[in-house]
Amino acid sequence: AQKVTQAQTEISVVEKEDVTLDCVYETRDTTYYLFWYKQPPSGELVFLIRRNSFDEQNEISGRYSWNFQKSTSSFNFTITASQVVDSAVYFCALSAEYGNRDDKIIFGKGTRLHILP
Amino acid sequence: GAVVSQHPSRVICKSGTSVKIECRSLDFQATTMFWYRQFPKQSLMLMATSNEGSKATYEQGVEKDKFLINHASLTLSTLTVTSAHPEDSSFYICSALPYRGQPQHFGDGTRLSIL
Repeated sequence: AQKVTQAQTEISVVEKEDVTLDCVYETRDTTYYLFWYKQPPSGELVFLIRRNSFDEQNEISGRYSWNFQKSTSSFNFTITASQVVDSAVYFCALSAEYGNRDDKIIFGKGTRLHILP
Repeated sequence: GAVVSQHPSRVICKSGTSVKIECRSLDFQATTMFWYRQFPKQSLMLMATSNEGSKATYEQGVEKDKFLINHASLTLSTLTVTSAHPEDSSFYICSALPYRGQPQHFGDGTRLSIL
């Protein structure tokens, strides 16, 4: 069975601090995808990253970076120099691959991030 | 980029009403679409997988007679909440699966409030 665990329910940091959101996953599939989404108060899901299980390279995009460790089944997300606009709920998610396409997405419970001015 | 349009964005209606939500892929064809539900301060939970031209596959615990899904074309899937009750009030969000190798694209969601 697939499962995504985000142990941090809520985090508050002061603006400009770095913050890391943890994500641990479980799957029996050899090929799978990992995601991070941002959900601001308006509700829409903002896609941040999709990572294939065979690609363990870390990724950096501006102030965002992701650390994929297959050995520990973790896919952590770090925001550097946080800003108030980063305040949102962040979901880590997992999907299997089915016929060379993504299957349904299993979401973690989310981490509510508050960036304090 | 791939765009998914979901309509309406917000619905408020009386208990017992049936409500239809549309999910359209605007610039790509999607043989598969997914419907998710999110209760306040909770995660997104998959309700069903919608396949064009065939019956939807529902997740365990989701009533297929309550949540009717129709995927009649490659760009449109609809979710109808029949005889809605206050406990059906939730945020419903769809996603569409585009070309091979591309991730799902989500609509902006529909906030349903049943009075």
